[in-house]
This record gives sequence, C-alpha cells and structure tokens, in this order.
Amino acid sequence: DVKVTQSSRYLVKRTGEKVFLECVQDMDHENMFWYRQDPGLGLRLIYFSYDVKMKEKGDIPEGYSVSREKKERFSLILESASTNQTSMYLCASSFWGGAGNQPQHFGDGTRLSIL
Amino acid sequence: AQTVTQSQPEMSVQEAETVTLSCTYDTSESDYYLFWYKQPPSRQMILVIRQEAYKQQNATENRFSVNFQKAAKSFSLKISDSQLGDAAMYFCAYHSAGSYQLTFGKGTKLSVIP
Repeated sequence: DVKVTQSSRYLVKRTGEKVFLECVQDMDHENMFWYRQDPGLGLRLIYFSYDVKMKEKGDIPEGYSVSREKKERFSLILESASTNQTSMYLCASSFWGGAGNQPQHFGDGTRLSIL
Repeated sequence: AQTVTQSQPEMSVQEAETVTLSCTYDTSESDYYLFWYKQPPSRQMILVIRQEAYKQQNATENRFSVNFQKAAKSFSLKISDSQLGDAAMYFCAYHSAGSYQLTFGKGTKLSVIP
C-alpha cells in the first residue's frame, strides 16, 4: 500500500514564526501536492510539484512556499505564520501523468493552530 | 475554470438503507475524470470510486456505484446497504486530462443511524 506520512498530526505555533510541514511518500511518486482543508470550503490546492525541484502554484499560494529537494519529500513552509493559516493541511502524492487515471493518495493531515 | 458543486452539506441514512450523494460540475473539457473520496472522522482520505468521462458505463465498487450523466454534468454516488463505517465526509472531485490539479467540491457529511 502507498504510504504518505506527514510529520505531525497536531502542531501549535505562534504568529510570525516560520513553520515547516513535512511530507514523505514511499511509492516513488512523481507528483506531490499540498492542500488546505477548511470546513465548508472543501480542499484547496496550495502548491504541487511534478518533479524534484519543480513546483507550481495552486489556487491559494499566498503566504506559503514549498521545497522538494528529494523525490520522496515535499515540504510546505509558512514564511511568517498568521492566525488565518490555522487549518488542516493535507499532503498527497500520485504517479506521473495528468491523465487522471492515477489517483492521489493522501496523508493523515496536520492540524495546525497559529496562536 | 472548473467548478464542482455538492449541494448537500449533510445527509443521514439508516443502517442497511441506500443513500445517494449529489455532485454537479462545470467544465468545457471533453476528456476528464471524476472521483469520490471518503474522509472518515480523524482519518485518512481514501478514494472510493472513479469514472472516466469517455466511458458510458457507470463505475461500481462493491456497495458503491455512480450515476454519471455527462450531458447534465452530474456525478452522483449511491451507497447501498449502508454501514456504520460509511459515516464520513464525502468529496466529489474533478480532474481534467492533461492537468495535475484535482478540483474538489465542498463535501457532504454523511451520518449513518443505527
């Protein structure tokens, strides 16, 4: 089975801090994704990466950056955390190809609270 | 831009009964894929079922089936013989062929009544 592991289930940080959320997948997937999940809004794509060192903005990239130095690892960075970034963050991965016949596999999520 | 609409924020079903969750989408593409994902409380999101737009036959996975109406841009999920473990948030999602991006609906929270 595909395993997508997010480093923390729960995280509490303070405003202004630089926050790192880590995600590792063990299936050699080319594509990796970071989503934000808020009640009533569904999942919104923050950033995705289709290869090492490659990244593309999603729908809500403002206030975030990402890093993908190795194929298996995709990091989400909150440069200066703000209270409106309190949310559930989901990482996902999939095989190469935009054909859609390779579904995304999700991690357990990180519930981030910014105080 | 593609949009996915789930018009039922919450639904409930009696155990062993059948329930249908609605999803509509808007796209100008002809080649795309549709998915239903399930997210149990405090647990990982998993794929329930997927449908290729070029296939006329509706997808089925055990107790889960879809009613795909391409002309109407409708993609509903039917759960038969509902079980307590079916209680979850269900998300409808759209994926254009050639794109990396999944577009999700806002979700439907399904409760199963014993």
